[in-house]
Amino acid sequence: GAGVSQSPSNKVTEKGKDVELRCDPISGHTALYWYRQSLGQGLEFLIYFQGNSAPDKSGLPSDRFSAERTGGSVSTLTIQRTQQEDSAVYLCASSLEGQSGWQYFGPGTRLTVT
Amino acid sequence: AQKVTQAQTEISVVEKEDVTLDCVYETRDTTYYLFWYKQPPSGELVFLIRRNSFDEQNEISGRYSWNFQKSTSSFNFTITASQVVDSAVYFCALSEARRGYQKVTFGIGTKLQVIP
Repeated sequence: GAGVSQSPSNKVTEKGKDVELRCDPISGHTALYWYRQSLGQGLEFLIYFQGNSAPDKSGLPSDRFSAERTGGSVSTLTIQRTQQEDSAVYLCASSLEGQSGWQYFGPGTRLTVT
Repeated sequence: AQKVTQAQTEISVVEKEDVTLDCVYETRDTTYYLFWYKQPPSGELVFLIRRNSFDEQNEISGRYSWNFQKSTSSFNFTITASQVVDSAVYFCALSEARRGYQKVTFGIGTKLQVIP
């Protein structure tokens, strides 16, 4: 498909466990973004990648959160020692360079920490 | 700092009614972009429109129309003759208009329910 894909679509994990969320951006999109959407909340920016580097990590809520991107394509968001407040939908988006407002979003990963 | 305010958290209308979703923004930039995104129950955000701050012309696309008023820092979205398929959360967003990375600020969204 030509869109942004994310996996898994749903993830249930126990408090304290680590989780990895994956994002496959649209081919050719150099910019990639991670957002978090908690129940009833708007989109909270987490991190931005340009290529494989992350010039803006200002939204990562704690050092338990990290992300990487390899080959200028796939990105993985890792949450260590998950907490219940990490439960949310994690959305990934990609865009062409210089068109960051014009973002294409994936379907999201719904994370539930029990 | 940029800020987007969507004061209406939830709106319910009966099918075929018109509905306007409000968006007010704050920015120190003289050039910027404004956006509307739709998030249907499936969860995936869908881009609807991008408007450059230089262009205050209103835009109409089918049953959708957008009213950009720079004087009041508003970018309102109207759906005419609403349909059940319009039920979704709608996000207004703002970004700088410059080369390279432009951080996007989203409002908290307005949940629209269209009742058949």
